[in-house]
Amino acid sequence: QKEVEQNSGPLSVPEGAIASLNCTYSDRGSQSFFWYRQYSGKSPELIMFIYSNGDKEDGRFTAQLNKASQYVSLLIRDSQPSDSATYLCAVNPPGGGGNKLTFGTGTQLKVEL
Amino acid sequence: NAGVTQTPKFRILKIGQSMTLQCTQDMNHNYMYWYRQDPGMGLKLIYYSVGAGITDKGEVPNGYNVSRSTTEDFPLRLELAAPSQTSVYFCASRAGGPLDTQYFGPGTRLTVL
Repeated sequence: QKEVEQNSGPLSVPEGAIASLNCTYSDRGSQSFFWYRQYSGKSPELIMFIYSNGDKEDGRFTAQLNKASQYVSLLIRDSQPSDSATYLCAVNPPGGGGNKLTFGTGTQLKVEL
Repeated sequence: NAGVTQTPKFRILKIGQSMTLQCTQDMNHNYMYWYRQDPGMGLKLIYYSVGAGITDKGEVPNGYNVSRSTTEDFPLRLELAAPSQTSVYFCASRAGGPLDTQYFGPGTRLTVL
């Protein structure tokens, strides 16, 4: 089982719709969770992070964490064509030397006009 | 405050040549990382460092070497380049706490022919 799993997509949503991106992780003791956006040919950039169960909202983005079920999700409201990118989920496992984030392989999102 | 910088942006190597990818951060971060990303794939950790003078292997270290003589710099050395090392290389840094963001450099696109 992969440590961090994401559906590779592509996930296609119409402009203005809600995009829902999901991520599951295997290490139950993981402490914090990050969502990065990566445009084609660019480096990953942080969108938001979450460490407590529940929802965390930042503008059009909402991160949701359920530690009991070991999943974290990212909702993008009012999706725009500029949101078209690959979204990487990253997990900070417990006690790992070097505080190494473990990344999923990413979900490609396409927002269609 | 430039963040994480990488040089060069692009490079073409011949099989068997060697080169050093440079990475510098100006955020006084303890932790630094080197990743490679193959087309359509996720990030794979090559090497990481928890501070000056301390480095350790990641998931795919073969064919690479690193050093960390200062907090700011973390160069990645490729010896005897092979076509399998054709990839995009990202350097990243992080302060170190479980909630700290990992910042990425712009990447180096390397082709080995």
